[in-house]
Amino acid sequence: AQSVSQHNHHVILSEAASLELGCNYSYGGTVNLFWYVQYPGQHLQLLLKYFSGDPLVKGIKGFEAEFIKSKFSFNLRKPSVQWSDTAEYFCAVRPSAAGNKLTFGGGTRVLVKP
Amino acid sequence: KAGVTQTPRYLIKTRGQQVTLSCSPISGHRSVSWYQQTPGQGLQFLFEYFSETQRNKGNFPGRFSGRQFSNSRSEMNVSTLELGDSALYLCASSGEETQYFGPGTRLLVL
Repeated sequence: AQSVSQHNHHVILSEAASLELGCNYSYGGTVNLFWYVQYPGQHLQLLLKYFSGDPLVKGIKGFEAEFIKSKFSFNLRKPSVQWSDTAEYFCAVRPSAAGNKLTFGGGTRVLVKP
Repeated sequence: KAGVTQTPRYLIKTRGQQVTLSCSPISGHRSVSWYQQTPGQGLQFLFEYFSETQRNKGNFPGRFSGRQFSNSRSEMNVSTLELGDSALYLCASSGEETQYFGPGTRLLVL
């Protein structure tokens, strides 16, 4: 069975700092990769996704992620965070032939101090 | 387009009771998936329905069941509730490849 690991449970940083959240997965086949964000009191929203092609994908709100197949990683980055980026971030993996069954990482809570 | 809607938003039940949660997907989406979110276990996949058929199932006991109607609306049912079933239950709808999540139903079992 596939699994997803997010290395940091909590991250605290100041506005304008750079953010990088790690995500590693274990699965031997072809996967689709996602990052979702859950702002306080709101529902899960899609930040970005990778299916194929350019391994560097850009999402909403200035976020980007890089798929490194050899490392089974899909790390999320943002060059300069804002207070409004305070949220919980989830990495998710879906084997490409498995319908819509997503396996989520444990999440990373990000607090951006103004 | 309207987003995914879930009803009710909040629910309080007692142990041993059963509960039914409802999800209306985005118009045109035929796949509906259900997830359980708890502080301890995180987000876990329950099951997926596509065109009224269960297509995928997670590792939950048989007390958890679901169904999908011809209009793609879905319900999930939990029978004989246990304290550990307290969670946020999320529904996600998908057209082709990406899942869009609803606000969830927060279930508290006393």
